[in-house]
Amino acid sequence: GAGVSQSPSNKVTEKGKDVELRCDPISGHTALYWYRQSLGQGLEFLIYFQGNSAPDKSGLPSDRFSAERTGGSVSTLTIQRTQQEDSAVYLCASSPSGGPNEKLFFGSGTQLSVL
Amino acid sequence: AQSVTQPDIHITVSEGASLELRCNYSYGATPYLFWYVQSPGQGLQLLLKYFSGDTLVQGIKGFEAEFKRSQSSFNLRKPSVHWSDAAEYFCAVGVSGGYNKLIFGAGTRLAVHP
Repeated sequence: GAGVSQSPSNKVTEKGKDVELRCDPISGHTALYWYRQSLGQGLEFLIYFQGNSAPDKSGLPSDRFSAERTGGSVSTLTIQRTQQEDSAVYLCASSPSGGPNEKLFFGSGTQLSVL
Repeated sequence: AQSVTQPDIHITVSEGASLELRCNYSYGATPYLFWYVQSPGQGLQLLLKYFSGDTLVQGIKGFEAEFKRSQSSFNLRKPSVHWSDAAEYFCAVGVSGGYNKLIFGAGTRLAVHP
């Protein structure tokens, strides 16, 4: 089937505005992850969803960041009152059941630029 | 805390030459270890993984990696590099006991000269 889909692929916003980033995981995958990739840095874990369990939000950098996953499928990452340091590529990934040795399937990411 | 170090930010090799990308991890238990590749304009793709058994693991595209517990290393190798291997390579450690929360290194960008 189709891979992980993210939209938009690029987003330019002004400082202080809110943005929403969308992720459609692979059908049937119960585990969904958000990562952030800043220029010249590795991937930073943000949040993890598994089925109907409470998400692991331990990686969210501030309370301006939030995410939800509706119906165990589509996820939205929301950044409120964006700051320039939020500029990065936001990557979504899914895996079949979140097992510790499972392969993650990544989307192509959303490039966020905050002016 | 778990961490992954990739000492080389950039590496340049000639096509046909051998390649070794270094990765060191810090983790208290037996780690789950991964190498992902990010080619220009593409998402991350899994090259190979280690979680038990034979310490030398084979992956896609002719890559292999060796887990050395005594050195806390999981270096990626390829005997003969192709121009299409130019990409960014990320080593990651999976936190066991729960789910696959990956801790990534900062990446190594590989350039291949003809």
